[in-house]
Amino acid sequence: GAVVSQHPSWVICKSGTSVKIECRSLDFQATTMFWYRQFPKQSLMLMATSNEGSKATYEQGVEKDKFLINHASLTLSTLTVTSAHPEDSSFYICSAPRIGGGNTEAFFGQGTRLTVV
Amino acid sequence: QKEVEQDPGPLSVPEGAIVSLNCTYSNSAFQYFMWYRQYSRKGPELLMYTYSSGNKEDGRFTAQVDKSSKYISLFIRDSQPSDSATYLCAMTGTASKLTFGTGTRLQVTL
Repeated sequence: GAVVSQHPSWVICKSGTSVKIECRSLDFQATTMFWYRQFPKQSLMLMATSNEGSKATYEQGVEKDKFLINHASLTLSTLTVTSAHPEDSSFYICSAPRIGGGNTEAFFGQGTRLTVV
Repeated sequence: QKEVEQDPGPLSVPEGAIVSLNCTYSNSAFQYFMWYRQYSRKGPELLMYTYSSGNKEDGRFTAQVDKSSKYISLFIRDSQPSDSATYLCAMTGTASKLTFGTGTRLQVTL
């Protein structure tokens, strides 16, 4: 089945530094990938839509200069949290929809737990 | 009103029980309905996927969609302790971003 790989699975960084998270679709091409954030005991909230070959689309309230998204190829999207602060500590998850036969399914990466100290 | 409503639980059932998880939604444009299982500190895992109204069965899991009532359900038969997780419903109108419920935490006890 389709697999989406996300790396790293967890990271601890100092306040003020930047962290890059990678999301790869392993056996299908994804022109679009989605980045979600999940705070404890809350549901997934969409942060941005990553589009291969064009700029990402950010949801209201998400700072595009803080959360840099690059979708360099049909199988790779990256999210960089710049100048991270403790309030950015969260669980970040990417997903990639696989579209075929008129249907769509979304597959998720394993998630990245970011802790900013 | 949220687009997708889901009872957060927690829901505690004994091993072997039938579990019923539900979501309601307000957006009539939703056509694709999914259920995800999420274990603690892990990413969501796709369990069931349904297009439009109807039932779909996969092993111990059955997904139902009633578009006229804007109501979807996930049934788990013969529940096991390994089914203990948070179950998230999700839906979308097109091949696009998903709208999630808040998730229901399920605990299956021995």
